[in-house]
Amino acid sequence: SQQGEEDPQALSIQEGENATMNCSYKTSINNLQWYRQNSGRGLVHLILIRSNEREKHSGRLRVTLDTSKKSSSLLITASRAADTASYFCATDAWRTGGGNKLTFGTGTQLKVEL
Amino acid sequence: SAVISQKPSRDICQRGTSLTIQCQVDSQVTMMFWYRQQPGQSLTLIATANQGSEATYESGFVIDKFPISRPNLTFSTLTVSNMSPEDSSIYLCSGKGFGTGSSGYTFGSGTRLTVV
Repeated sequence: SQQGEEDPQALSIQEGENATMNCSYKTSINNLQWYRQNSGRGLVHLILIRSNEREKHSGRLRVTLDTSKKSSSLLITASRAADTASYFCATDAWRTGGGNKLTFGTGTQLKVEL
Repeated sequence: SAVISQKPSRDICQRGTSLTIQCQVDSQVTMMFWYRQQPGQSLTLIATANQGSEATYESGFVIDKFPISRPNLTFSTLTVSNMSPEDSSIYLCSGKGFGTGSSGYTFGSGTRLTVV
């Protein structure tokens, strides 16, 4: 079953605008990660935030994590047409019986128009 | 970081047949995972491939339909058995362990399966 719900499901913005995507999850986590996927191709890892962190930056990306609300957000600033893709949050958590597993959210389809 | 070679990259198969997907990692990984991504959907974990023991399947997935092998720490296969059009999806493998980069996980490039 999906761990995370993301909203919005789809987002269309103009180039230069900021894009914000939200992710909610249900259980305790070790870290939360964001991935990008272009047109059903391979996944690109964007950023990881650990459960004891609240905010992290990487270039034009800003991620926040609120473990009390079990939610995260991804902000892409000054968006570009090349940012058009599907974005997924994924939670890394211990699993019953040992080991980890990465569980993906439902995803947000971002379209950046010129 | 570790690189996974996944093949085939795509295939078109007849219903009722089986397809085996292979993933080869260029370094040892402790855990390997198999995901399914149905058209327009997110990734759903099928199972965790354990070296030297049976795979651990997620709810809704069974070994008879998706048998998995993990003979060593760098290789795994997923077979999609007795396929139907509903099995048309992208299948991705993933590895976790030392050398899998900042995320802790590395992914294959996926197998796009179409069942006709």
